Amino acid sequence: SQTIHQWPATLVQPVGSPLSLECTVEGTSNPNLYWYRQAAGRGLQLLFYSVGIGQISSEVPQNLSASRPQDRQFILSSKKLLLSDSGFYLCAWSVRLMRDEQFFGPGTRLTVL
Amino acid sequence: GESVGLHLPTLSVQEGDNSIINCAYSNSASDYFIWYKQESGKGPQFIIDIRSNMDKRQGQRVTVLLNKTVKHLSLQIAATQPGDSAVYFCAEDYNKLIFGAGTRLAVHP
Repeated sequence: SQTIHQWPATLVQPVGSPLSLECTVEGTSNPNLYWYRQAAGRGLQLLFYSVGIGQISSEVPQNLSASRPQDRQFILSSKKLLLSDSGFYLCAWSVRLMRDEQFFGPGTRLTVL
Repeated sequence: GESVGLHLPTLSVQEGDNSIINCAYSNSASDYFIWYKQESGKGPQFIIDIRSNMDKRQGQRVTVLLNKTVKHLSLQIAATQPGDSAVYFCAEDYNKLIFGAGTRLAVHP
């Protein structure tokens, strides 16, 4: 069966520090991968998606970047965090791009102080 | 845990009652819809989906109804249990999944 992992589970970082959140998927090959941010009381905002190694599409301009160095690994990064980057970050995967149920990881709660 | 669901509309029900959670979607061209359940501090979990060529789909204790005329989706949970307490949100597929903000379901014994 497929599983999706995210780490760390929680993170507290000072403004201006770098960020690296990792997501890995097991049990499937060539998944479509997604990064979402969820603010309290808000819906999920799609940040990035990837159809394959090295292929990243950005949905919104922001202080974040994403990379996919391996088929089942998706990384969310920032060089300098802003207060507004605080939120709950979710990684997800699907079989077909945008057209199927997406399976979500457990999320990372990021607090920028 | 993550404070998902602050300031969300809340539906309070008694254990054993049926729950109906509603969702208005945006795009008449959307052809696929999903309901997710999100417990505090966790990622969303798939509950049930429906395609636009259907108006009703049933799962275990859950039913999704789709009214394309008024762009409305509902999730019915039968015999609601304390474990059903969570935030529920719908998603529509319009070139990408677009998620609603959600409704908090609170189940009281």
